[in-house]
Amino acid sequence: DTEVTQTPKHLVMGMTNKKSLKCEQHMGHRAMYWYKQKAKKPPELMFVYSYEKLSINESVPSRFSPECPNSSLLNLHLHALQPEDSALYLCASSLEKGYTEAFFGQGTRLTVV
Amino acid sequence: DQQVKQNSPSLSVQEGRISILNCDYTNSMFDYFLWYKKYPAEGPTFLISISSIKDKNEDGRFTVFLNKSAKHLSLHIVPSQPGDSAVYFCAARGLGDKIIFGKGTRLHILP
Repeated sequence: DTEVTQTPKHLVMGMTNKKSLKCEQHMGHRAMYWYKQKAKKPPELMFVYSYEKLSINESVPSRFSPECPNSSLLNLHLHALQPEDSALYLCASSLEKGYTEAFFGQGTRLTVV
Repeated sequence: DQQVKQNSPSLSVQEGRISILNCDYTNSMFDYFLWYKKYPAEGPTFLISISSIKDKNEDGRFTVFLNKSAKHLSLHIVPSQPGDSAVYFCAARGLGDKIIFGKGTRLHILP
């Protein structure tokens, strides 16, 4: 199983809503990542978890809250988002933090209205 | 300020010919360079990487060349096939093991 599974694939939420994005992998990878990608821009790193601990937070606003319940799961909790937060949110995993071969999920297309 | 630059948003190549995708970088501390490929509605897929101590790495139809003095790398695909049509991201690993991506180049393989 070399898949990273993200749910939901699409999400539309209001600015007062609370929602969560989910990511799952069963490759035994110890590093998991959240990236944000806007149209015609590169994926931008948001968070890195290494061995279930938050390793990197790229100064992401607190309305984005990551959670790593176990080594296979990574969540991103969303609250009070702004329309400019609309983007593709990509989850990835790799054997260890910094490994060049990361496996990406399909992404969640988020629209904030 | 972009540290990894892909200056060609798109590239069209005839099937069977060589595709050359280019990438420039600004940070001499990057220790690994990599290429990812992305189809629509899918996440990026790792393609090939190269250590900063090497100047060439080959994997089947894909070869990556690194010119450290010019801070430039390129991906060669020979021969190009229809399934190679995708967006190609150049990326680099920097301090703290962070992977930094370029904006991508859309490759169209023409029949």
